[in-house]
Formats: sequence, structure tokens, C-alpha cells
Amino acid sequence: DIQMTQSPSSLSASVGDRVTITCQASQDTSNHLNWYQQKPGKAPKLLIYDASNLETGVPSRFSGSGSGTDFTFTISSLQPEDFATYYCQQYHSLPRTFGPGTKVAIK
Amino acid sequence: EVQPVESGGGLVQPGGSLRLSCAASGFTFSSYWMSWVRQAPGKGLEWVANIKQDGSEKYYVDSVKGRFTISRDNAKNSLFLQMNSLRAEDTAVYYCARGGSTFRYWGQGTLVTVSS
Repeated sequence: DIQMTQSPSSLSASVGDRVTITCQASQDTSNHLNWYQQKPGKAPKLLIYDASNLETGVPSRFSGSGSGTDFTFTISSLQPEDFATYYCQQYHSLPRTFGPGTKVAIK
Repeated sequence: EVQPVESGGGLVQPGGSLRLSCAASGFTFSSYWMSWVRQAPGKGLEWVANIKQDGSEKYYVDSVKGRFTISRDNAKNSLFLQMNSLRAEDTAVYYCARGGSTFRYWGQGTLVTVSS
């Protein structure tokens, strides 16, 4: 199984801050990597697919990059509605696996 | 609007069974892989199983193999998860999601609690 790690596990930031989350896979996953946002009590929402493609309707302040084993997710200017938990997920092989999540909280 | 809607969750004793359903609308159900993803209380996301468009391929996470069965009825735009021999560690919100690799649309989830 491909293990996914994320760092940091949590962070505190202010509105307007630039936020970066990293995700590392235990094996090469090419660009088969997605990013999701989840707010409390809600289902996850797809933000980035194929490592760097912005899902339709998602604001351009969200971006993703990377390939192989190392990936980065960035929010260029944090907005109040962005406080949530973010997960990476690989689909290079079965079983599909998620990272443990990064909780973005208000400073 | 693409909207999977799960049902069938509830409280069940260890060793018991439960069948989850997911009613899909807003898209051509028979054209997509479908998946179940779960989330234990306060924990992260765990992919459980997926099924090909025609049901000919099914895959499971190791922890549920032999206990859970994913199936679908394309005529009724429905996805199912039959869960047998349930354990306390199966307690989670179970989400139905469109896709076998990228989960583009999710239902609201249904809570399964395994407890005596």
C-alpha cells in the first residue's frame, strides 16, 4: 500500500496569509494525486486533481504542484471560508489512500 | 445537480450486519465507477471499496475484505454496501462518492455505529 504523509498536521494562520501544505507518498505516484477540503460535519470537496489541475468552480487562490513522491498545496491568500481540514489522496494504485489531513485554523 | 444520497446507517451490535444504499441522481450512473469512503469519528478519510461501471470489477481495502460487499443496480441508479461481521472499528460515517480514483461528488454520509 502507498502511505501518504502530510505536514504540518495543523497550522494557525490569519486571513490574507499564504498557506502551504506538503504531502509525501511512500512510493512514486506520478501525478495521481488529489486534494480535498473538508469542513466540520460536511462531506469532502475536491479542489485539485491530477496534482495541479483546479477543479471547476474552485477559486484560483488554491493551487497544487509536484509529482512522484512530493506534492505541495498552496492557498495564496487565506480567506475566512478556507478554515477547514485538507487531505491529499493518491490514486496511483489500490487501495486508494488519503493523507492524515492538515487542519487550518484561525490565528 | 449531481447528488448521491446515502441511507441505511444506524446502530448495530458487534458481529451484526447492515446494508447501506446510495441513490444517485444528476448524472448517468451507469457511466461511472463508484466508491465508498468512510470516516471514523474525529479521524481521517479511508477508502473502503469501489466498483466498475458494469459491476465486473470490485476492489476493497484489506480491513473489510471478506466482510463487506459492494454492488450496484444501474437500472435503479443505486449503489450498495453490504456489511457483515461488523466490528467496533467499523464505526464511521460512510460516504458514497462518484468515481473510482478521483472522488468528484460525495453524498452527505450515513453514520454506522457498531456497539453493544
